Amino acid sequence: DAKTTQPTSMDCAEGRAANLPCNHSTISGNEYVYWYRQIHSQGPQYIIHGLKNNETNEMASLIITEDRKSSTLILPHATLRDTAVYYCIVRVGGSGGSNYKLTFGKGTLLTVNP
Amino acid sequence: GAVVSQHPSWVICKSGTSVKIECRSLDFQATTMFWYRQFPKQSLMLMATSNEGSKATYEQGVEKDKFLINHASLTLSTLTVTSAHPEDSSFYICSARVAGTIGEQYFGPGTRLTVT
Repeated sequence: DAKTTQPTSMDCAEGRAANLPCNHSTISGNEYVYWYRQIHSQGPQYIIHGLKNNETNEMASLIITEDRKSSTLILPHATLRDTAVYYCIVRVGGSGGSNYKLTFGKGTLLTVNP
Repeated sequence: GAVVSQHPSWVICKSGTSVKIECRSLDFQATTMFWYRQFPKQSLMLMATSNEGSKATYEQGVEKDKFLINHASLTLSTLTVTSAHPEDSSFYICSARVAGTIGEQYFGPGTRLTVT
């Protein structure tokens, strides 16, 4: 799986948009970009994933550059409860087989301030 | 939907004893489940991948005889830490991959193991 690079930490004011960057310059054509977050002492929570196109769901938006070498997770209106470690992971998609494992890096600690 | 539960949420055991942790997918079938371990202030480290009805695949450096994994059904996987020692104290997290989809994984809430 391709490696990702994320900033160690970021701050965001409550109510403002949080934009979390991720570099994945060695991503392969069949690899998806996944985002998860982990609130302290809890299991990771799936946020969103994408391949080429920008994606949006009730939690966040994912913007992937045209060359797919980087992406940005956007939390449109951050709240205090969004304080967590955010992980950007690239991985081959698809069903079947036992090799579709997620490899977690260090992630970005997002702190939302009041 | 896509809820994964773990039991127990925390456990304290004495050195030398064995501890079993259960992971259940509550509202979906999971052909593949994963077990992770997380030490304080560190990221999640994958321990093993288990497929229903077959032997688990362990990551390099993980002792398969110490961490026994059973995935007997499409909704249940268990991790047994045998002859636990204080260095096995950690946060153990399972995840389940939804069968037949692009492969979203959903994680359990984790089990805090403390070995005294």
